[in-house]
Amino acid sequence: NAGVTQTPKFQVLKTGQSMTLQCAQDMNHNSMYWYRQDPGMGLRLIYYSASEGTTDKGEVPNGYNVSRLNKREFSLRLESAAPSQTSVYFCASSEGWGQGSAKNIQYFGAGTRLSVL
Amino acid sequence: EDKVVQSPLSLVVHEGDTVTLNCSYEVTNFRSLLWYKQEKKAPTFLFMLTSSGIEKKSGRLSSILDKKELSSILNITATQTGDSAIYLCAVGNNNAGNMLTFGGGTRLMVKP
Repeated sequence: NAGVTQTPKFQVLKTGQSMTLQCAQDMNHNSMYWYRQDPGMGLRLIYYSASEGTTDKGEVPNGYNVSRLNKREFSLRLESAAPSQTSVYFCASSEGWGQGSAKNIQYFGAGTRLSVL
Repeated sequence: EDKVVQSPLSLVVHEGDTVTLNCSYEVTNFRSLLWYKQEKKAPTFLFMLTSSGIEKKSGRLSSILDKKELSSILNITATQTGDSAIYLCAVGNNNAGNMLTFGGGTRLMVKP
């Protein structure tokens, strides 16, 4: 029961470097999400994909891009990393979109701890 | 803009104590309120409360939604050291698809 798998678990970058965070889910979920978590600020949505083939901006999209590669995989790319992007990044998925039921529950991966120096 | 505020920010109790965590929200078109527990890694789902399901219970944990007061509480009775975690509250908006707005969390520490 892998659920939501994120790679890598840890990463240190220098300012200006680029990298891609990978996320895959094996629950056949339609919707996927990328969040960042900073101390005392809860989880803030960066981008989401309501269904395969669609992506949209969340609350804090600047400096990031995403790709919904297929139904299972949703990647997050930092083109030119900045110290302000030091954070813990979580990927999540849910079965449904816009339906008031258990299909809305989001399930999270273990996170990627990113430091940008 | 939707808003979720949790209190207290942190809490230290001893094993066996009962704790109450609070979550208040402002949302234009309420759909649901979710509670998550976050230990060292991924947030794990605890409860979802909706207009048709305002009370949930699982073992020592229970949660109530007060739609009039725009708030929810999470109660933990007979706390154990394994309850130490950050507890996150999130709210869904019918106008926003399946996006959730999270509060800042309450950090609970249970001492032996």
